[in-house]
Amino acid sequence: AQSVTQLGSHVSVSEGALVLLRCNYSSSVPPYLFWYVQYPNQGLQLLLKYTSAATLVKGINGFEAEFKKSETSFHLTKPSAHMSDAAEYFCAVSGGGGNKLTFGTGTQLKVEL
Amino acid sequence: EAGVAQSPRYKIIEKRQSVAFWCNPISGHATLYWYQQILGQGPKLLIQFQNNGVVDDSQLPKDRFSAERLKGVDSTLKIQPAKLEDSAVYLCASSFEPGQIYEQYFGPGTRLTVT
Repeated sequence: AQSVTQLGSHVSVSEGALVLLRCNYSSSVPPYLFWYVQYPNQGLQLLLKYTSAATLVKGINGFEAEFKKSETSFHLTKPSAHMSDAAEYFCAVSGGGGNKLTFGTGTQLKVEL
Repeated sequence: EAGVAQSPRYKIIEKRQSVAFWCNPISGHATLYWYQQILGQGPKLLIQFQNNGVVDDSQLPKDRFSAERLKGVDSTLKIQPAKLEDSAVYLCASSFEPGQIYEQYFGPGTRLTVT
């Protein structure tokens, strides 16, 4: 069975500041890990994914995440926040067959001037 | 390339009524997923289809929820009768194949309110 824990249901940063959204996973098999973003009244959009090729993964809109097996973490970062980054972010894990995704509870990112 | 289409976008019903949601996946995508997203929670998989066959429906409340994908293309999710706790956003997603390397593309969702 797989699960993810997202620490902090709400994160607030100033525009231009570092964004750090935390995700820890649990998986009995080598995991595939994902970050999705959801804007109000829209579906989820894939930001990036880890599929065991490289531990540092770069995604869209300047986001990146680092897979750390020893810490069972996959934290999402962006060096400089922009107002357009305000949204809800979901970490998800997949393992085994079928491509079933198990999502965390989400982190609402607020970007302030 | 057209994305995943869902309708309706919003639905308000009273408890014990029935409701149906429709999803049209991206053309050529063999795998279709229905997720339930309750406010404040992440999406939860309800059912996964591979073409017109069910791969996983372990979290589908089968006493009231049903889903079909008869021709292996579009799909319908039905709730009958609805309960208050069914209020949620119902997301449809599709992928080319079921493997993890294939990205799931999500539709905009249907927001259901049960009163």
